[in-house]
Amino acid sequence: EVQLVQSGAEVKKPGESLKISCKGSGYSFTSYWIGWVRQMPGKGLEWMGIIYPGDSDTRYSPSFQGQVTISADKSISTAYLQWSSLKASDTAMYYCARRGPVTPIDYWGQGTLVTVSS
Amino acid sequence: EIVMTQSPATLSVSPGERATLSCRASQSVSSNLAWYQQKPGQAPRLLIYGASTRATGIPARFSGSGSGTEFTLTISSLQSEDFAVYYCQQYNNWPLWTFGQGTKVEIK
Repeated sequence: EVQLVQSGAEVKKPGESLKISCKGSGYSFTSYWIGWVRQMPGKGLEWMGIIYPGDSDTRYSPSFQGQVTISADKSISTAYLQWSSLKASDTAMYYCARRGPVTPIDYWGQGTLVTVSS
Repeated sequence: EIVMTQSPATLSVSPGERATLSCRASQSVSSNLAWYQQKPGQAPRLLIYGASTRATGIPARFSGSGSGTEFTLTISSLQSEDFAVYYCQQYNNWPLWTFGQGTKVEIK
């Protein structure tokens, strides 16, 4: 069974750094792109970027380029989304999602809630 | 960036009625259009891809149509579990995929 399991909720202060994770199982982790999606409170879905764990090829949406870093460690089948200096506006639910072989997204993680508040 | 515009923002429908949701792309996305359903507190779920192909396990009451810039999701007879927010997504412009802002289907 394919699963994407994300790390738990985080509460951080502005200016702090953060790295959240998404662990894939039940499939060949290096063979499928993993993307990240932001959902701010009460708002819609925003595509952030995507990584191919096989070779770490990473692409970003222009709105998120330079704001976050997407990475992956294929030895432990885990993708990451990180911030070097959080802002209150980074408060959101973040989902990881697998690009399917024929579908844009076929599996989603359960989401990680990030709260940034002083 | 391709902008996806969904209408209406909110759709009030009685159970058993038909719901028609629209999605428009700012430029052609061919048939590379997907629809997702999201319920409160849950991750989105893929309903339709390729504009009209139902994903695995999706009931036949959900259907998609359109190509180019105009797309429609139809729910033929709304069930209680269908009240949710629906998003369209274009995946024609790799890797700059974009979502619409969503349509909330609520009970009338």
